[in-house]
Amino acid sequence: KNQVEQSPQSLIILEGKNCTLQCNYTVSPFSNLRWYKQDTGRGPVSLTIMTFSENTKSNGRYTATLDADTKQSSLHITASQLSDSASYICVVSFTGGGNKLTFGTGTQLKVEL
Amino acid sequence: SQTIHQWPATLVQPVGSPLSLECTVEGTSNPNLYWYRQAAGRGLQLLFYSVGIGQISSEVPQNLSASRPQDRQFILSSKKLLLSDSGFYLCAWSQGYEQYFGPGTRLTVT
Repeated sequence: KNQVEQSPQSLIILEGKNCTLQCNYTVSPFSNLRWYKQDTGRGPVSLTIMTFSENTKSNGRYTATLDADTKQSSLHITASQLSDSASYICVVSFTGGGNKLTFGTGTQLKVEL
Repeated sequence: SQTIHQWPATLVQPVGSPLSLECTVEGTSNPNLYWYRQAAGRGLQLLFYSVGIGQISSEVPQNLSASRPQDRQFILSSKKLLLSDSGFYLCAWSQGYEQYFGPGTRLTVT
């Protein structure tokens, strides 16, 4: 069964600090991995998308890494801001799936003063 | 540019009542369309997807149904709502890898 697991489930950090969120997946055959940011009560917004041949991708203060061999990904947030408070969702697509996605349950990040 | 609309934004319905949620996409043609449900503390669950007018694939057996009467319109329906239908419903569209999500509808069944 295709699964995506994220850790930690929730995280509280101080503004200006860095943090790293983890994602492990068992989706096969793998096509691509995305990280989404979802503000409370809103739809998810894409941060990065990586195919199996890419091992890092950045979007501003967000940097995603991918190890297709160990089936792990991480999202690193640098110099966090209050507006980074949201749920971060790891999503994996498998080949032949008609662009259907398998979603993790997300890491709830709260950035405090 | 492309935009995706969903309405209503919030909805409170009694058990056994019908449901109709609408999603429309602007600025693109022949997109793939998706309905997801997000229950509290759980990941998004794909309910239906459509690759064209009148073409609907169901991912999860349930009392919901979907229709695509026009190229950029996707409707989620139910004849009789259950308490378990409560959740956050998201419509999405894609062309290629990327999926773009709508603002969502918060449904509470009482």
